[in-house]
Amino acid sequence: EAQVTQNPRYLITVTGKKLTVTCSQNMNHEYMSWYRQDPGLGLRQIYYSMNVEVTDKGDVPEGYKVSRKEKRNFPLILESPSPNQTSLYFCASSLSGLGRGRDEAFFGQGTRLTVV
Amino acid sequence: AQSVTQPDIHITVSEGASLELRCNYSYGATPYLFWYVQSPGQGLQLLLKYFSGDTLVQGIKGFEAEFKRSQSSFNLRKPSVHWSDAAEYFCAVGAREYGNKLVFGAGTILRVKS
Repeated sequence: EAQVTQNPRYLITVTGKKLTVTCSQNMNHEYMSWYRQDPGLGLRQIYYSMNVEVTDKGDVPEGYKVSRKEKRNFPLILESPSPNQTSLYFCASSLSGLGRGRDEAFFGQGTRLTVV
Repeated sequence: AQSVTQPDIHITVSEGASLELRCNYSYGATPYLFWYVQSPGQGLQLLLKYFSGDTLVQGIKGFEAEFKRSQSSFNLRKPSVHWSDAAEYFCAVGAREYGNKLVFGAGTILRVKS
């Protein structure tokens, strides 16, 4: 089954404690991205990756890091989480860069992060 | 500035009634248009998409959407709502001008009265 898998689904952590949210896709997609969802703001892109070892900032990259060492995985790293990073996070993948072709994004189930 | 507007934060309809969720975008040319649904505690599921061609697009779960270039709109419709349609709905736009991302509206929460 084609899917994007995120882990964990729920996470409560304390300010400053480094954490990683994993994302894996089994569709051999080149393009992956991370979004955060906040009430009244919809989803906003944090980082994206066009291919292995190619990553770039989205609209709200501050406080986040990513890596793309393998095509299927795109982890999101919070080196020093703060309460304003409490949010619902989604990983997405697609064949190519969104807006560049007739493509659609597949989303993971989401990770609800609470930073206290 | 790039933007996608969903003017209605909440909508309540009775079960069996018709539904229209509004979406407007700012972009000069024809973008790629999507509607996603998010059920409570779930991820995003694609309802339908428009890339080109027929401006009336059919999707899953009985939904359809109509692209109107003159109004820069892509409204989602369903003739008869079911209680299971209660969810949050997001309009999203992809375009070269927006770069390598989807731009999402703020979402519309649909409540269904029985």
